[in-house]
Amino acid sequence: QKEVEQDPGPLSVPEGAIVSLNCTYSNSAFQYFMWYRQYSRKGPELLMYTYSSGNKEDGRFTAQVDKSSKYISLFIRDSQPSDSATYLCAMRGGTSGSRLTFGEGTQLTVNP
Amino acid sequence: EAQVTQNPRYLITVTGKKLTVTCSQNMNHEYMSWYRQDPGLGLRQIYYSMNVEVTDKGDVPEGYKVSRKEKRNFPLILESPSPNQTSLYFCASSRSGGGYVTQYFGPGTRLTVL
Repeated sequence: QKEVEQDPGPLSVPEGAIVSLNCTYSNSAFQYFMWYRQYSRKGPELLMYTYSSGNKEDGRFTAQVDKSSKYISLFIRDSQPSDSATYLCAMRGGTSGSRLTFGEGTQLTVNP
Repeated sequence: EAQVTQNPRYLITVTGKKLTVTCSQNMNHEYMSWYRQDPGLGLRQIYYSMNVEVTDKGDVPEGYKVSRKEKRNFPLILESPSPNQTSLYFCASSRSGGGYVTQYFGPGTRLTVL
């Protein structure tokens, strides 16, 4: 069983929709929870991260962590065609040291 | 411009022919890492380096070697490539503080081993 599970999609939504992306994990020692965005033929880039539990908001993006359920989410409000990309969750903590454990990534397309 | 560069971007080779993928960063980062990205498996860490002359295995190190003789460079070496090493490879770097959460990735190297 993978330490981090993420539905690969693909997910297709109309412009302006609210998008919800999710990951579940099994390692209760994870403390850092990240969302990376990867455009086609590019390397991933950090979108936002959360330490421990709670919510974090950055413009149209909101990250949520529920450690009791081992579940993290990324919400995108008023989605735009430029948000079309693959979104990867990543986590680290405990005995993993510096290693990040990535989810498979969810491919999102926002249609104009 | 702060960046991580990789070369080559695309490579087709044959089984057993040694190859090196170069990685360089201009941000003076201590930490560097190599990942491979495969459909259905996501990004998996191959090797990482905490600083010059300090390297360690990641999740999938078999068949790969690395070296860190200079802070800015972290080449990935495949001494005898096999078809199961066909993949998309990313180099990344970050500073050691801040929980390693902000990793800067290169543009990727698509390797095909025939």
